[in-house]
Amino acid sequence: QVQLQESGPGLVKPSQTLSLTCTVSGGSIRTADYYWSWIRQPPGKGLEWIGYIYYSGSTYYNPSLRSRVTISLDTSRNQFSLRLSSVTAADTAVYYCAGRGGDPKPRFDPWGQGTLVTVSS
Amino acid sequence: DIQMTQSPSSLSASVGDRVTITCRASQSISSYLNWYQQKPGKAPKLLIYAASSLQSGVPSRFSGSGSGTDFTLTISSLQPEDFATYYCQQKTFGPGTKVDIK
Repeated sequence: QVQLQESGPGLVKPSQTLSLTCTVSGGSIRTADYYWSWIRQPPGKGLEWIGYIYYSGSTYYNPSLRSRVTISLDTSRNQFSLRLSSVTAADTAVYYCAGRGGDPKPRFDPWGQGTLVTVSS
Repeated sequence: DIQMTQSPSSLSASVGDRVTITCRASQSISSYLNWYQQKPGKAPKLLIYAASSLQSGVPSRFSGSGSGTDFTLTISSLQPEDFATYYCQQKTFGPGTKVDIK
């Protein structure tokens, strides 16, 4: 079964770029079964969908974050990545990677365990 | 964009209680509605997809219903391990409903 694991720095300075990677195991990232997704959760708050990428390279971003977000694939490493530019304290959150599958009944499953990213100087 | 709301935002219940959580979409989403359970420090877990389909491995005391704009998640007999926060999701997520112990 497909499993996901996030990795990346836990601390990012304001105005810099947050970069995270999600490693996919138990299956190929070059599958039509999933849209590879990023979701975040500020401490004590709810879940916010950031965006996802298809194996073809097509991307879909939350309009509220679109100007700052880039999601990309690294098929050689079976990974996908998130870059969020010009971060502020409001971007402090647990960041999850997930597979959005099950079309035509799409849902987020599986999920990674999440990684906390703090934006602070 | 479609907005999701949930009610109540929190509730207190006892083991064995029947619990119902409501989710409303700002416009019709047919049956494209999922429910997740999240416990503190853990990733969300998919419970129900397509409004009423039970995810594999999820206990049958969980059920979902609805279509269009109004949806419900029901826990028929609340168990100790069910105390958690529940989110509905179409593309975006609802704000969550926290279920705690009375």
